[in-house]
Amino acid sequence: KNQVEQSPQSLIILEGKNCTLQCNYTVSPFSNLRWYKQDTGRGPVSLTIMTFSENTKSNGRYTATLDADTKQSSLHITASQLSDSASYICVVEGGTASKLTFGTGTRLQVTL
Amino acid sequence: GAVVSQHPSRVICKSGTSVKIECRSLDFQATTMFWYRQFPKKSLMLMATSNEGSKATYEQGVEKDKFLINHASLTLSTLTVTSAHPEDSSFYICSARGPVNTGELFFGEGSRLTVL
Repeated sequence: KNQVEQSPQSLIILEGKNCTLQCNYTVSPFSNLRWYKQDTGRGPVSLTIMTFSENTKSNGRYTATLDADTKQSSLHITASQLSDSASYICVVEGGTASKLTFGTGTRLQVTL
Repeated sequence: GAVVSQHPSRVICKSGTSVKIECRSLDFQATTMFWYRQFPKKSLMLMATSNEGSKATYEQGVEKDKFLINHASLTLSTLTVTSAHPEDSSFYICSARGPVNTGELFFGEGSRLTVL
């Protein structure tokens, strides 16, 4: 069964600190992996999308990594800001029908 | 980037009434749009795939007659929750593939439905 698991489920960090969110998946065959940021009560916004051949991709203070061999991805947030408080969702596209499988998300709270 | 707009953003209705939610691709054509449902503190759950000019494809467990989807044009898909009940209260989100074939997916802002 295609699954995407994220950890931690929630995280609280101080403003200015870095953090890393994890994503493990079992989707096969693999097409691409995406990270989205979702503010409370809003729709998700794309941060990065990586294909099989890409190991890392950055978008400002967000850097995603992908290890297709171990089926793991991480999202690193540098110098966190209060506005980074949101849910971060890992989504993997693939499987026999090329569907999107959503992770349950990591809820990040950045505090003063 | 491409913009997907949803309307209304919030709606409150009485039990038994029907509610229509619109999803528009503002600056590109979308032959396929997706409808999701999201419960509090949970991730998005795909309900159905909306195909322009043809019937929607529903995920297992989603009632076709309960959640009517119409994709009559290349820029508009609608989701109608028929005979709404309190358990239908949820956050509904649509998405569409971007105009360039990069696989990029753009989401609407979501619609919060509350059924009294």
